[in-house]
Amino acid sequence: NAGVTQTPKFQVLKTGQSMTLQCAQDMNHEYMSWYRQDPGMGLRLIHYSVGAGITDQGEVPNGYNVSRSTTEDFPLRLLSAAPSQTSVYFCASSYSAGRTDTQYFGPGTRLTVL
Amino acid sequence: KQEVTQIPAALSVPEGENLVLNCSFTDSAIYNLQWFRQDPGKGLTSLLLIQSSQREQTSGRLNASLDKSSGRSTLYIAASQPGDSATYLCAVLHLRGNQFYFGTGTSLTVIP
Repeated sequence: NAGVTQTPKFQVLKTGQSMTLQCAQDMNHEYMSWYRQDPGMGLRLIHYSVGAGITDQGEVPNGYNVSRSTTEDFPLRLLSAAPSQTSVYFCASSYSAGRTDTQYFGPGTRLTVL
Repeated sequence: KQEVTQIPAALSVPEGENLVLNCSFTDSAIYNLQWFRQDPGKGLTSLLLIQSSQREQTSGRLNASLDKSSGRSTLYIAASQPGDSATYLCAVLHLRGNQFYFGTGTSLTVIP
């Protein structure tokens, strides 16, 4: 199993540009989520999905869109990048969001918005 | 809103010492609490998961406890090694909604 994969590893954008961060998992997990990690603030939940076709907002959803057309993929779209979106982005998955389910994390995407 | 706090933010200990990392949360309505390890520039790796009905979990030199009523968890690391140097994060899964809340982490350095 490849686990949770994310592409790209690094990205530099200019303010106003759009892009998609890719996330895929091969463990047949229903629950997938996106976090951003900023210094001194820990990980904050952006969006999550409990299954194909179902998404919901987390703590900091503004400026981001998601969709879940397949179980395996959960892309994160930045609509119009802003310097405040400079961060490290992590995708995670688990079998469900139940009591016994461990979360598995991807290696992260380091995004800089100029 | 659930708030998760980890103290201390950084800790440095000599090799071989036993140590305790702390995690506190404000809302006891949780499904579970998980401890993760993060190495520099890497993703998170799950260490231990404690369900809300459990008091502790053990894996090798690691032991995590949970006191849901007081909103506290501890991660005990026995006989620390330089390879344990990393940032340790705790996260809680809230009962209302499928959302995880993370602490800001404790950066641990074990000195050979």
